[in-house]
Amino acid sequence: GNSVTQMEGPVTLSEEAFLTINCTYTATGYPSLFWYVQYPGEGLQLLLKATKADDKGSNKGFEATYRKETTSFHLEKGSVQVSDSAVYFCALSKETSGSRLTFGEGTQLTVNP
Amino acid sequence: DTAVSQTPKYLVTQMGNDKSIKCEQNLGHDTMYWYKQDSKKFLKIMFSYNNKELIINETVPNRFSPKSPDKAHLNLHINSLELGDSAVYFCASSQVGFGTDTQYFGPGTRLTVL
Repeated sequence: GNSVTQMEGPVTLSEEAFLTINCTYTATGYPSLFWYVQYPGEGLQLLLKATKADDKGSNKGFEATYRKETTSFHLEKGSVQVSDSAVYFCALSKETSGSRLTFGEGTQLTVNP
Repeated sequence: DTAVSQTPKYLVTQMGNDKSIKCEQNLGHDTMYWYKQDSKKFLKIMFSYNNKELIINETVPNRFSPKSPDKAHLNLHINSLELGDSAVYFCASSQVGFGTDTQYFGPGTRLTVL
């Protein structure tokens, strides 16, 4: 079956530090890949997505590249802010699975001033 | 102009009670979902409806019954609530099709069973 594995958290960084959250997946064919963010007490918001190999998704300074050869979709940001503190979820979907989202475990990010 | 809305936001109830959570989307999407987020933040699909037809039904106890009166609404009814049902329940919607399968989530309903 499909699965997503994220690096374990929590992750604590100082403001302006570089962020990487690793995500790898297992799926047949070509799933779509997503990063969702959950701010405290809120629902999930789509951060970025990529639908085919070598696509790069980007939003709000965050980037992730769909790497078919390593089955990865690592999230990066060059300079984090306190307002980036949240839980980040990597996910995949496939139409052949009813387009359900299969999520990773989530990574709690805390950015200190 | 909320895209996906859920009511109530918080629900506190006793074991054995029956409760419902409502979800509405105004995005014109044809597919809606229910996800459960446990205390460790792990998210798992429960159900999915496409144009009022059930297409995903994960291994969820039959105490949980989704109902879709039209494609803009997907409600979740839970009978005989148990302590283990305490979680945050998220509704989501999407327009299924090649390259357009982004799901949009509601704010969640935090259910606490005492």
